[in-house]
Amino acid sequence: GQNIDQPTEMTATEGAIVQINCTYQTSGFNGLFWYQQHAGEAPTFLSYNVLDGLEEKGRFSSFLSRSKGYSYLLLKELQMKDSASYLCAVRDGDYKLSFGAGTTVTVRA
Amino acid sequence: IAGITQAPTSQILAAGRRMTLRCTQDMRHNAMYWYRQDLGLGLRLIHYSNTAGTTGKGEVPDGYSVSRANTDDFPLTLASAVPSQTSVYFCASSERADSYNEQFFGPGTRLTVL
Repeated sequence: GQNIDQPTEMTATEGAIVQINCTYQTSGFNGLFWYQQHAGEAPTFLSYNVLDGLEEKGRFSSFLSRSKGYSYLLLKELQMKDSASYLCAVRDGDYKLSFGAGTTVTVRA
Repeated sequence: IAGITQAPTSQILAAGRRMTLRCTQDMRHNAMYWYRQDLGLGLRLIHYSNTAGTTGKGEVPDGYSVSRANTDDFPLTLASAVPSQTSVYFCASSERADSYNEQFFGPGTRLTVL
């Protein structure tokens, strides 16, 4: 099976930066995704990495190191609306997505 | 319709009853997926379909069946519901199974089996 680990919870202050780490061990690798999920809603796509390095999209950035089986999602200039669960998902050699349990981020004023 | 729709939104079901969760997408995506989401476990793949007419088993397929008669619809059936199938069920689709494309998720069905 697949093994994807991320912290359960993180808390940060509005305007701050938070980094959510994800480590994985999968059978094959065809990319890593980050999704955002607000309580009671569907997951929505944030970012995709397939090569090593940093991908930046506005306030959100995602980093990948394939050799280390490691990724992080960086959220800058935190806003109250960023309070949500962030899901790390790895696409394996069969192109199936395996998800981590999610990291709940709480942004405080 | 815009994107992916699921029905019903929520359902309370007696154990042993048969139930079909419906999923329809209007994006002409080839690949469709069913996940269940349980607290502390994240999303787990139940069944998938890479293209109309084909289906495959995911991580937790037991007790569930699917069909893919056309591109748009991908129903999930619980033949005889059990309490351990209480969960939130998400349907998702992507343009293709074997490419970069992200998966788009429906709003979910909250199912309670008593």
